[in-house]
Amino acid sequence: EAQVTQNPRYLITVTGKKLTVTCSQNMNHEYMSWYRQDPGLGLRQIYYSMNVEVTDKGDVPEGYKVSRKEKRNFPLILESPSPNQTSLYFCASRRGAGGFEQYFGPGTRLTVT
Amino acid sequence: SQQGEEDPQALSIQEGENATMNCSYKTSINNLQWYRQNSGRGLVHLILIRSNEREKHSGRLRVTLDTSKKSSSLLITASRAADTASYFCATEETSGSRLTFGEGTQLTVNP
Repeated sequence: EAQVTQNPRYLITVTGKKLTVTCSQNMNHEYMSWYRQDPGLGLRQIYYSMNVEVTDKGDVPEGYKVSRKEKRNFPLILESPSPNQTSLYFCASRRGAGGFEQYFGPGTRLTVT
Repeated sequence: SQQGEEDPQALSIQEGENATMNCSYKTSINNLQWYRQNSGRGLVHLILIRSNEREKHSGRLRVTLDTSKKSSSLLITASRAADTASYFCATEETSGSRLTFGEGTQLTVNP
């Protein structure tokens, strides 16, 4: 089954404790993205990647890091989480540019206290 | 920056009625896509319309695109309670490297 998986699905952590949210897709997609969703603000893109070893900032990259060492994986790293990073995070992938639909993971609900 | 803006923010209708949601955007695009999100879950792709298309249909969905006005509309005909969800438009910029989303329209269909 074609899918995007994220782990963990729920995470409660404390300020400053480094964490990684994993994302994996099994569709051999080139493009992968991370979004955060907050009430009243819609989906905002954090980072995106157009292929292995190619990443670029989205609209809200501050406080986040990503890497794309393999085509299928695109982890999101919070080196020093802060309460304002409490949010619902989505990983997504699509085949490429030029009119392909995007597939979303189930989401990771992160709470930073 | 946020590309698409949906209107209205919230819409409540009765089952069987039609629901229309609008999306406006700011820059040149390759295509515009509509997605649906059930509460707290991942978004699901509904339909894609390219910049050289004016109208597209898929089942009970009808999408229009007016590139001169930089706007699109999504019409859901004969709505059902199961259509209750948030609907987002997303635009792919001409560079093709980003797909950016609006804030969404919350649709409630009352049985």
